[in-house]
Amino acid sequence: EPEVTQTPSHQVTQMGQEVILRCVPISNHLYFYWYRQILGQKVEFLVSFYNNEISEKSEIFDDQFSVERPDGSNFTLKIRSTKLEDSAMYFCASILDWGHGYTFGSGTRLTVV
Amino acid sequence: SQQGEEDPQALSIQEGENATMNCSYKTSINNLQWYRQNSGRGLVHLILIRSNEREKHSGRLRVTLDTSKKSSSLLITASRAADTASYFCATGPIQGAQKLVFGQGTRLTINP
Repeated sequence: EPEVTQTPSHQVTQMGQEVILRCVPISNHLYFYWYRQILGQKVEFLVSFYNNEISEKSEIFDDQFSVERPDGSNFTLKIRSTKLEDSAMYFCASILDWGHGYTFGSGTRLTVV
Repeated sequence: SQQGEEDPQALSIQEGENATMNCSYKTSINNLQWYRQNSGRGLVHLILIRSNEREKHSGRLRVTLDTSKKSSSLLITASRAADTASYFCATGPIQGAQKLVFGQGTRLTINP
């Protein structure tokens, strides 16, 4: 069964450093998403991406965040200057079309120290 | 916001029993989805029910949707130890980029 692949599985970074989280969505999917889950809390929407542009973003997704689909297969989330409160699990997801269940990756655990 | 909120927050039952989890939400939806998350792992899609459907089955899972009450339930029959996980409902909006809004989840523990 097709999978969404995320790398790395765990990243530790110092506060203020830039991090890039990588995702390879399912190849024929058209909509791509980033979500995050702070330990013990609910899964929160960050951003959606369609047709090579952001289609929606949440209040969390401020100027420190950016997304890119540089080569038609990878989908990246960049945090420019990490803060302690950015520590969370970050999940990438993709869907073929609206009204379908999402396929989530297994996540990247980001720890900012 | 159209948050999905699960009830109960935690549920512990014996293997073989049925587990029922409930979800409530606030605004009109296109669909409602249930996901499972094993500890520290990714989210696995279980089942999607559309706003014009009232009930859906998938294996040992049964989902109901009552749009008049803005609520849904997930029933897992004949539970197994492997069903131990957190279960989340998530609502998909009528319009927009189909972002999902997740509830807090129900932590289900199946005791052998």
